[in-house]
Amino acid sequence: DAGITQSPRHKVTETGTPVTLRCHQTENHRYMYWYRQDPGHGLRLIHYSYGVKDTDKGEVSDGYSVSRSKTEDFLLTLESATSSQTSVYFCAIRDRENTEAFFGQGTRLTVV
Amino acid sequence: AQKVTQAQTEISVVEKEDVTLDCVYETRDTTYYLFWYKQPPSGELVFLIRRNSFDEQNEISGRYSWNFQKSTSSFNFTITASQVVDSAVYFCALPLDQYNFNKFYFGSGTKLNVKP
Repeated sequence: DAGITQSPRHKVTETGTPVTLRCHQTENHRYMYWYRQDPGHGLRLIHYSYGVKDTDKGEVSDGYSVSRSKTEDFLLTLESATSSQTSVYFCAIRDRENTEAFFGQGTRLTVV
Repeated sequence: AQKVTQAQTEISVVEKEDVTLDCVYETRDTTYYLFWYKQPPSGELVFLIRRNSFDEQNEISGRYSWNFQKSTSSFNFTITASQVVDSAVYFCALPLDQYNFNKFYFGSGTKLNVKP
């Protein structure tokens, strides 16, 4: 199994509060990703990182920010959570070009 | 634009039946890759296969086989003699282009229920 740990695994938060999800890898892979999974939509990319301090937006980046200060950690922050951000969030890592990504076990976030 | 369609939302079969999961894609590229992932009830996504558009030969791995047909833009997945452990959601995915695996387009998934 790829060494990917997401924390927390479950979280319930209130609308308007900030939330940070953490993805930690022990594989020293260059690329890291945050996806969200919603019924009927499959997985959609939020943000990704191609190196320390190098990040870029995905297709559903509004309302989210990310940071990567170390190779092993990729943080996803919801500055002010909304109910539409209730979802399952997946972190993924990838080693080099044209290779498959490996996924973490997911974080279920509920915004009430 | 890149697009992946998995028209089958949910399929139920009885153990030992064969089942085919459909994946239809759209791409502007002449060279591209396609992927299948499995998401068991435990939640994590598991990589199953990656295929390049140059290689249209069917791929077989145990009870799993994949049929890649460029003429119909399909990359279908067949499970032979299904087992209860095959119960999962299966996703087909297409990268933005052959040089950029940072952005993937996933289908909406097909949930497979295998009943004993």
